[in-house]
Amino acid sequence: SQTIHQWPATLVQPVGSPLSLECTVEGTSNPNLYWYRQAAGRGLQLLFYSVGIGQISSEVPQNLSASRPQDRQFILSSKKLLLSDSGFYLCAWSNIGGGFGTDTQYFGPGTRLTVL
Amino acid sequence: KNEVEQSPQNLTAQEGEFITINCSYSVGISALHWLQQHPGGGIVSLFMLSSGKKKHGRLIATINIQEKHSSLHITASHPRDSAVYICAALFQGAQKLVFGQGTRLTINP
Repeated sequence: SQTIHQWPATLVQPVGSPLSLECTVEGTSNPNLYWYRQAAGRGLQLLFYSVGIGQISSEVPQNLSASRPQDRQFILSSKKLLLSDSGFYLCAWSNIGGGFGTDTQYFGPGTRLTVL
Repeated sequence: KNEVEQSPQNLTAQEGEFITINCSYSVGISALHWLQQHPGGGIVSLFMLSSGKKKHGRLIATINIQEKHSSLHITASHPRDSAVYICAALFQGAQKLVFGQGTRLTINP
């Protein structure tokens, strides 16, 4: 069966510090991968998606970046965090093919990031 | 503009009540998703549908393409159903889901 892992579960970081959040998927090959952010009191916002190793599409221009060094590994990074980066970050995967949104997305447990 | 609106924003009911959560969208869609976000933040996909009706246990999702509207129903609601329910639409020609703001459901025993 497929599982998706995210870590850390919670993170408190000072403004200006770097960030690295990791997501890994097990039990499937060549998945579509997604990073979402949910700010306090707001809906989910797609940040990045990837259809393959090294292939990253950005939805929102910001100080975050994403990388996919391996087929089932997706990393969200920042060189310098802003206060506005605080939120709940969710990684998700879906089966490739059929286009985004036409297949069930499976979400990880999320990372709650607080930038002080 | 591709938009998704949910109503109500908050819903409190007693155990056993029949629950309906509504989702309206602005233009034609390829697929609509219903998600459940637990108090701890974890999200589970409940349904994905493009027409008609789907049922899983006490949960039923319907969609009316002509009216651009979907509903999520919960029969015989239980306190463990308390969560935020989110609908998300894949608009025709788009490559990403657009999410509603969510409906916070609280079921009291």
